[in-house]
Amino acid sequence: RKEVEQDPGPFNVPEGATVAFNCTYSNSASQSFFWYRQDCRKEPKLLMSVYSSGNEDGRFTAQLNRASQYISLLIRDSKLSDSATYLCVVNEEEDSSYKLIFGSGTRLLVRP
Amino acid sequence: IAGITQAPTSQILAAGRRMTLRCTQDMRHNAMYWYRQDLGLGLRLIHYSNTAGTTGKGEVPDGYSVSRANTDDFPLTLASAVPSQTSVYFCASSRTSGGTQNIQYFGAGTRLSVL
Repeated sequence: RKEVEQDPGPFNVPEGATVAFNCTYSNSASQSFFWYRQDCRKEPKLLMSVYSSGNEDGRFTAQLNRASQYISLLIRDSKLSDSATYLCVVNEEEDSSYKLIFGSGTRLLVRP
Repeated sequence: IAGITQAPTSQILAAGRRMTLRCTQDMRHNAMYWYRQDLGLGLRLIHYSNTAGTTGKGEVPDGYSVSRANTDDFPLTLASAVPSQTSVYFCASSRTSGGTQNIQYFGAGTRLSVL
């Protein structure tokens, strides 16, 4: 079983649409959570951290449900430039080191 | 400030050859990481270094070795390349390996094809 699971998509939505991605993780002891964005043939870049109380950054809202072990990302008023792959990332402790566990990503295509 | 620089950007390599992928950061980050990214599998950790002089094995370390002689450089070596090592390799760094806010910053990647 994968430690971090995401729907690979693609999600194909029109400009202006609202789209949501979910991600589940298997380790209940995971400490922190992130969403990274990766454009085609580019490196991953941090989009936002995910806090327990939920957090918002402009058109992006991230939420965490520890009881059900899932994380969500909501994008409002989608722009063409939002087209990318969104990686769900979980920070886990192992042998006194913290390691990031990456999901395989959810691909978003925003069409005109 | 360049951030993290990887070299080469791409390489075609004959099986059995030795290859070193270079990674340099100028952010004075303590921790550095090497990942490979394959279609449908996401990013997988190969090796990591929490601080200069120390290294550790990640999820897929076999066939790879690393060294961390100083803070800035973290080269990844394939001693004898095999076709299954064809992948995109990303180097990353973070200010620290400890704590829950382990935000990592990535280099632009090296695309390696082993024939």
